[in-house]
Amino acid sequence: SAVISQKPSRDICQRGTSLTIQCQVDSQVTMMFWYRQQPGQSLTLIATANQGSEATYESGFVIDKFPISRPNLTFSTLTVSNMSPEDSSIYLCSVGQGPNYGYTFGSGTRLTVV
Amino acid sequence: GEDVEQSLFLSVREGDSSVINCTYTDSSSTYLYWYKQEPGAGLQLLTYIFSNMDMKQDQRLTVLLNKKDKHLSLRIADTQTGDSAIYFCAEKVPLSSNYQLIWGAGTKLIIKP
Repeated sequence: SAVISQKPSRDICQRGTSLTIQCQVDSQVTMMFWYRQQPGQSLTLIATANQGSEATYESGFVIDKFPISRPNLTFSTLTVSNMSPEDSSIYLCSVGQGPNYGYTFGSGTRLTVV
Repeated sequence: GEDVEQSLFLSVREGDSSVINCTYTDSSSTYLYWYKQEPGAGLQLLTYIFSNMDMKQDQRLTVLLNKKDKHLSLRIADTQTGDSAIYFCAEKVPLSSNYQLIWGAGTKLIIKP
């Protein structure tokens, strides 16, 4: 299965600033997914990122707040913009590897906004 | 809408079997997954089952699927301290020309010595 390198693993940021999270995959994948996991909760899909097209955002998430780049088939970034304490969460990227396989996740970015 | 439900906690003694249960509502699911999340870590795919199967075994893990009752379970035999984690079930359902994953809230497995 694919191996995903996600950076940074954690960060503490000041409110009003932005943080860009990177995910590098060791193989080419069509779709990459960005999730948020708030403390003690399950995963919420933020957006799906396809190479060469704009990301598709889920209800409650907007591009201005969570801009995503997908410059090639092995890399994607998620930016959390104009952060507030409510953005404190774990952010995870994920790739799907075809209908007969599960989804692989990065190790996550634990973000604390102060 | 689609929903996946799990108990929030399960406590078992070391060496016993753990059974984590999950119910779902969307009958169009194609695959169902079990993921493990250890403290401070990402999600690790443990196992998955295709929706036309009723059982899958992989070493200490047994997955049972009752499609009629929309019930999925994960049995961990001979539970060890290293099994302490949160276990998420998820179902993969069609959405337009693609798929989406519907996640349960996770079951925290607590191992008693």
